[in-house]
Amino acid sequence: QVQLQESGPGLVKPSETLSLTCTVSGGSISDNTWSWVRQTPGKGLEWIGYISNSGRSNSNPSLKSRVAISVDTSKNHVSLDLRSVTAADTAVYYCARESFYSGRPAAFDIWGQGTMVTVSS
Amino acid sequence: EVVLTQSPGTLSLSPGERATLSCRASQSVYSSYLGWYQQKPGQAPRLLIYGASSRATGIPDRFSGSGSGTDFTLTISRLEPEDFAVYHCHQYGNAPHTFGQGTKLEIK
Repeated sequence: QVQLQESGPGLVKPSETLSLTCTVSGGSISDNTWSWVRQTPGKGLEWIGYISNSGRSNSNPSLKSRVAISVDTSKNHVSLDLRSVTAADTAVYYCARESFYSGRPAAFDIWGQGTMVTVSS
Repeated sequence: EVVLTQSPGTLSLSPGERATLSCRASQSVYSSYLGWYQQKPGQAPRLLIYGASSRATGIPDRFSGSGSGTDFTLTISRLEPEDFAVYHCHQYGNAPHTFGQGTKLEIK
């Protein structure tokens, strides 16, 4: 059974880069598409971006210039870098697997437990 | 981007009652790529429904989804105590993915 676990610093200073890792266990990282989603009390759930099993990635236009998502298959890691953070980036960050059924996207069926990141000096 | 508006914001019902939650999109959701999630405090969202009407693995049949185009509904036929939570809709047919603001289902 595939499980996801996010990790990274809980506190990041303004203007620095927020770097998170999602460790995938119980399954192949290469066979799936992975997304990052964040959640704040005020804005709810916000999709950050994804990386596919072919290495293609895309991100939310609201964040696009600041986001980088990558995969390290040797470590079974999916990574998120968010540059030039501000207090507005304070949120719980989740990684999630996009499932497919009969070749069609079938939403996010597996989520990590989430990690809280606070942006503050 | 597609804006999803969920209603009501809060729904107060009793166990055994029927719950109907709405998710309206600002434009047609491509191929009905619409999902519903349940979220309890301190937990990650849990997928209930994908493709507007298909139940995810292990989801009880009291949960059902319907709709197409811009109007979607999640129905819980008979509420169990563990069903009281926040419910989110999610469209993944149009870039970027977007989520509704959530409906809180609380015990009356």
